[in-house]
Amino acid sequence: DTEVTQTPKHLVMGMTNKKSLKCEQHMGHRAMYWYKQKAKKPPELMFVYSYEKLSINESVPSRFSPECPNSSLLNLHLHALQPEDSALYLCASSGVSANEKLFFGSGTQLSVL
Amino acid sequence: EDQVTQSPEALRLQEGESSSLNCSYTVSGLRGLFWYRQDPGKGPEFLFTLYSAGEEKEKERLKATLTKKESFLHITAPKPEDSATYLCAVIRGAGGSQGNLIFGKGTKLSVKP
Repeated sequence: DTEVTQTPKHLVMGMTNKKSLKCEQHMGHRAMYWYKQKAKKPPELMFVYSYEKLSINESVPSRFSPECPNSSLLNLHLHALQPEDSALYLCASSGVSANEKLFFGSGTQLSVL
Repeated sequence: EDQVTQSPEALRLQEGESSSLNCSYTVSGLRGLFWYRQDPGKGPEFLFTLYSAGEEKEKERLKATLTKKESFLHITAPKPEDSATYLCAVIRGAGGSQGNLIFGKGTKLSVKP
């Protein structure tokens, strides 16, 4: 199984809502990531978890809250988002060596109204 | 400053018309260059990793090469299903950890039948 599964595929939320994005992998990878991608732009790193501990936070606003409950699951909790947060949110996983390739999920297309 | 520049931004080919995509990079101590393919609304799909100048890798109609300053993705006799955005990425910085990739802006390839 070389898949990274993300749910939901699409999400529309208001600025006062609380929602969560979910990501799951069963490749035994101990590094998991959240990226944000705006239309016609490359992916931008948000968070990195290594061995279920947060290792990189790229100065992401606190309205985005990551969580890694176990080695297979990664969540991104969303609260009080702004319309400019509308984007494709990508989860990825990899081995823990610095030059490992990343496996990406299909993403959650988020629209904030 | 670590940087990745891809050219052209967009490329239109006729089916069967071979061409190349370019990725030039400046990074302190290259530890890996990655090529990904991304279809609209989907996550990037891994294609190749190149580690050292002179290295080449092939997969079906695609061939990736690496020099000390740039990488090329050669597409031989492309088909319409090769239409996608091709992303190049390098690992950021000599002390970068896993997932700390710099992505180029991508080349959007369109192959017409």
